[in-house]
Amino acid sequence: KNEVEQSPQNLTAQEGEFITINCSYSVGISALHWLQQHPGGGIVSLFMLSSGKKKHGRLIATINIQEKHSSLHITASHPRDSAVYICAVRTGNQFYFGTGTSLTVIP
Amino acid sequence: GAGVSQSPRYKVAKRGQDVALRCDPISGHVSLFWYQQALGQGPEFLTYFQNEAQLDKSGLPSDRFFAERPEGSVSTLKIQRTQQEDSAVYLCASSLASGNYNEQFFGPGTRLTVL
Repeated sequence: KNEVEQSPQNLTAQEGEFITINCSYSVGISALHWLQQHPGGGIVSLFMLSSGKKKHGRLIATINIQEKHSSLHITASHPRDSAVYICAVRTGNQFYFGTGTSLTVIP
Repeated sequence: GAGVSQSPRYKVAKRGQDVALRCDPISGHVSLFWYQQALGQGPEFLTYFQNEAQLDKSGLPSDRFFAERPEGSVSTLKIQRTQQEDSAVYLCASSLASGNYNEQFFGPGTRLTVL
């Protein structure tokens, strides 16, 4: 079962690079979440989207409901951005999660 | 501590042993979710509570898994007769209200290892 697909699975970038992580989903959703998971397991919610675009600092998230696709962008990447980024979609009371994109930003 | 807390943080169990994992959501949060995250995988939904009512338990992998939230605050996930395939991080999350557009706040997880 792959209700949520993310790409790439792994990403290495140089500090300062612009980064894009993609998420495609196959189910009807009420909301899409982008989450950040650091080593040790702590998960932080970055964005919750149901349409359009949101921006928070260097992070931008977009969603195209018709195409069932969302992107997370990181501008001017920094080593502290290194983490696993997870896309999750809500349908009813259930959440489906992607397997995550492991990002490493090299100084 | 205003965040979601979980205990224990780590649990090692012998196969066949029963375990109980606790989640303390943020005070006043109506919704509570349990997830299972296997190594290298994204979390998978287990069950959802709205206050004390368990509205969805379709993600529980077998009848060895049981969750409760009797007073609508603290929740316990119980796994009976643990098996090696139960080894995972168990995550709890809460949100303020029950609607679709509420941010989830995650706990640090309980890492369960079944030997």
